[in-house]
Amino acid sequence: AQSVTQLGSHVSVSEGALVLLRCNYSSSVPPYLFWYVQYPNQGLQLLLKYTSAATLVKGINGFEAEFKKSETSFHLTKPSAHMSDAAEYFCAVSEDLSGNTPLVFGKGTRLSVIA
Amino acid sequence: EAGVAQSPRYKIIEKRQSVAFWCNPISGHATLYWYQQILGQGPKLLIQFQNNGVVDDSQLPKDRFSAERLKGVDSTLKIQPAKLEDSAVYLCASSLVANTEAFFGQGTRLTVV
Repeated sequence: AQSVTQLGSHVSVSEGALVLLRCNYSSSVPPYLFWYVQYPNQGLQLLLKYTSAATLVKGINGFEAEFKKSETSFHLTKPSAHMSDAAEYFCAVSEDLSGNTPLVFGKGTRLSVIA
Repeated sequence: EAGVAQSPRYKIIEKRQSVAFWCNPISGHATLYWYQQILGQGPKLLIQFQNNGVVDDSQLPKDRFSAERLKGVDSTLKIQPAKLEDSAVYLCASSLVANTEAFFGQGTRLTVV
């Protein structure tokens, strides 16, 4: 069964510093991977997705993630944090795009940005 | 393009009462999902519809939860009777093609007291 582990329930960075949010997955087949962001009292918004094309995926708001099969990882990064990046971030995995297996989400990582 | 609409935004009920949530997906999206997000956890899929048919309801507590998507558009999720542990945010999402990019509504925050 597929699963996602997000290391660190809370990450705090200074404004302008590198953001690194970790995600490791478990899947019996090549996975499809997603990062979503959730602002307070809002639904989830897709940041980026990996669907077996380029291993380095660029998303919105300056975020990117790299799929590393050997490490079963899909870590999310941003070179320079902004105050507006403070939110909850969720990594998710799916084993196919046909709809036969649902998205499985990690528990989330709360990002705080300090001025 | 209008997003996924959910109502109500907030609901407080007593345990053993009934409650219903409504979702209107993005026009043309065949796939609709209901997720439960308990505080401090990631969303957990409750049920997935493809048009008006159920694709996956394996994690739906069927003794108290029910959902329908009549005519393959709007959907309603019902809890009867509610328990304290049902307190959560209920998120509705839709996608054009299953599991490619799901668009989420703002959610309904349910508090059971």
